[in-house]
Amino acid sequence: ETGVTQTPRHLVMGMTNKKSLKCEQHLGHNAMYWYKQSAKKPLELMFVYNFKEQTENNSVPSRFSPECPNSSHLFLHLHTLQPEDSALYLCASSQDRRASWVGYTFGSGTRLTVV
Amino acid sequence: QQQVKQSPQSLIVQKGGISIINCAYENTAFDYFPWYQQFPGKGPALLIAIRPDVSEKKEGRFTISFNKSAKQFSLHIMDSQPGDSATYFCAASQYSGGGADGLTFGKGTHLIIQP
Repeated sequence: ETGVTQTPRHLVMGMTNKKSLKCEQHLGHNAMYWYKQSAKKPLELMFVYNFKEQTENNSVPSRFSPECPNSSHLFLHLHTLQPEDSALYLCASSQDRRASWVGYTFGSGTRLTVV
Repeated sequence: QQQVKQSPQSLIVQKGGISIINCAYENTAFDYFPWYQQFPGKGPALLIAIRPDVSEKKEGRFTISFNKSAKQFSLHIMDSQPGDSATYFCAASQYSGGGADGLTFGKGTHLIIQP
């Protein structure tokens, strides 16, 4: 394990469901990120939190709602998703919001399928 | 829009050969260029990174070449091994402050090393 734990690893949900993705890190990092990874597309930055404050929201639809209760935990709440939202959702953390030589530590992701 | 263009999309190299992956960027404010390696079922992991004050950085069999005037950088894997088979992502960001948080990634290169 890398130190960033994501649960669940796999999730299948209907378009009317509400579910949440969880990310946890105990690396002492202060910044946490949600990325979306789709086939044949670049990793898309969704949200950035620095010291529990959201600093970036890259025009993500409101059906995705992030929550960062503390520097160690990050959630992505999902509701009324569309099939095109099916993807691998990756959580990452870093010492702070500026990239460093140590880089980002990614979790293994949650494979989301919307049916 | 900030973009990082990566090529080729897929690459097959014989064991012992040199693997070369190329990236180009548009935003001249980028000053940090990492490469990430991703194995199936895992999140990306930092492999090597460079800043534009040097033209080359080498770590073991992995070398980044950087051409600031052309706004291009590349990853060279010398003596490629089957264990190097993975997806490789280039990325860019502003290390020194200013601009958006988070890394901008290329689309990835699926590398297969044939024994």
